[in-house]
Amino acid sequence: GEDVEQSLFLSVREGDSSVINCTYTDSSSTYLYWYKQEPGAGLQLLTYIFSNMDMKQDQRLTVLLNKKDKHLSLRIADTQTGDSAIYFCAESMGGGSQGNLIFGKGTKLSVKP
Amino acid sequence: NAGVTQTPKFQVLKTGQSMTLQCAQDMNHEYMSWYRQDPGMGLRLIHYSVGAGITDQGEVPNGYNVSRSTTEDFPLRLLSAAPSQTSVYFCASRRSSNQPQHFGDGTRLSIL
Repeated sequence: GEDVEQSLFLSVREGDSSVINCTYTDSSSTYLYWYKQEPGAGLQLLTYIFSNMDMKQDQRLTVLLNKKDKHLSLRIADTQTGDSAIYFCAESMGGGSQGNLIFGKGTKLSVKP
Repeated sequence: NAGVTQTPKFQVLKTGQSMTLQCAQDMNHEYMSWYRQDPGMGLRLIHYSVGAGITDQGEVPNGYNVSRSTTEDFPLRLLSAAPSQTSVYFCASRRSSNQPQHFGDGTRLSIL
């Protein structure tokens, strides 16, 4: 079945770049998403990429998509303590599921000052 | 600019009780979904709706009912609460199947 895999933890120093990786299985996914969740809060859409794109940049965020390997990454440049959160990768389900999302388990990013 | 509003934010129930989690959106979105988030499990789809009067099951529908009588509202009903339904519940909406989902702030539900 469809599955999304992420590493569970990442620790970086303030000012460094963070790279969060994700692999997915459904080759028919139209969009792939990155969401951010701060403690006790809901999910905030960070960015998303259409499946026919290789890269998308949005200020400090860069998304890279390798469709052949079904690999998605999120790079955060100049990581700040405010970036500490859980980051979820998600793919949109194809077919009759009408674009509902399959989520990874989330990567907890810790930023050390 | 409310977006997706979920009520209540917190709830404690006893096993066997029933309750309804409310979700409302003011963006005129056709698509709405309910997810649950459990530690170490990510988010899993419970039920979803592609428009008023139309609902369908997701990955983990057992023990839950939904209805969609209006575009704005998509309540989730727990018929007879069980401790395994202790979780954080998120409602989401989107304009169409290929648009990003907008999430509410969640309802934290504990069942004793």
